[in-house]
Amino acid sequence: AQTVTQSQPEMSVQEAETVTLSCTYDTSESDYYLFWYKQPPSRQMILVIRQEAYKQQNATENRFSVNFQKAAKSFSLKISDSQLGDAAMYFCAYGPGGDDKIIFGKGTRLHILP
Amino acid sequence: EAQVTQNPRYLITVTGKKLTVTCSQNMNHEYMSWYRQDPGLGLRQIYYSMNVEVTDKGDVPEGYKVSRKEKRNFPLILESPSPNQTSLYFCASSPWDSMSGAPNEQFFGPGTRLTVL
Repeated sequence: AQTVTQSQPEMSVQEAETVTLSCTYDTSESDYYLFWYKQPPSRQMILVIRQEAYKQQNATENRFSVNFQKAAKSFSLKISDSQLGDAAMYFCAYGPGGDDKIIFGKGTRLHILP
Repeated sequence: EAQVTQNPRYLITVTGKKLTVTCSQNMNHEYMSWYRQDPGLGLRQIYYSMNVEVTDKGDVPEGYKVSRKEKRNFPLILESPSPNQTSLYFCASSPWDSMSGAPNEQFFGPGTRLTVL
C-alpha cells in the first residue's frame, strides 16, 4: 500500500528566510502525482504546488518550489522569502495510485517568526 | 464561481441518529472524494467516486456510506453515528488529466465540523 510520511510535525522559520519541508512516500507505481496543500487557520485546503512523476523538472510556483527525487521517493517543499501569511499546516499528498486512492501525510505545522 | 459546497458546515448530533452531509461541485469533475481530518492523523480518505454510479472505499470507510447518482453530488451518509466519528470532514473534486488519464489536483469544500455526543 502507498504511504506518505512527513517527518517534521512542526517547524519554525524567521520571516524572509527559507525553509524546507520534507516528504517521503512509498509506492510501486511509476506514474502518479504529488501535491503540497496548505491549510491556514481558516481550515480551507489550498493547493500550493503539484508534480507529475513523469516530469524530471522540479515544479515551481513563485516562492514555492519542490525537490523531487523519484528514485529516493522524496518530495520536499522549499519556501523562499517566508512571509507571515505562509504560517499554516502543510500536507504532502500522493495519488492517484493504481487503486485511484489519494494518500495524505500527517502534516507539518509551519510557524513564521516575525 | 467554481466551487465545492458542503452542508451543513457545523453539526452536533447524538449517537445513532442518521445524518447526511451533502457535497456538490459545479466544475463537471469526474472524481469526487470524502476525507476526515483528525489531529495528528492528517487527512484520511473515506470513499471516492470515479464517476456516476462508481464508488469505492478509501482507507477508513467503516461506518460511512456514499452515493453518486448525479455527477455534481456526492453525499456522505452516517447511518448510525458514533462518537469516534467526531471529526472535520472534507469533500473534494478533481478533473481528469487528459495526459495521464487520472485525477489531478483536488478542489476542496470548506469542511464540515461534526460532533457526535
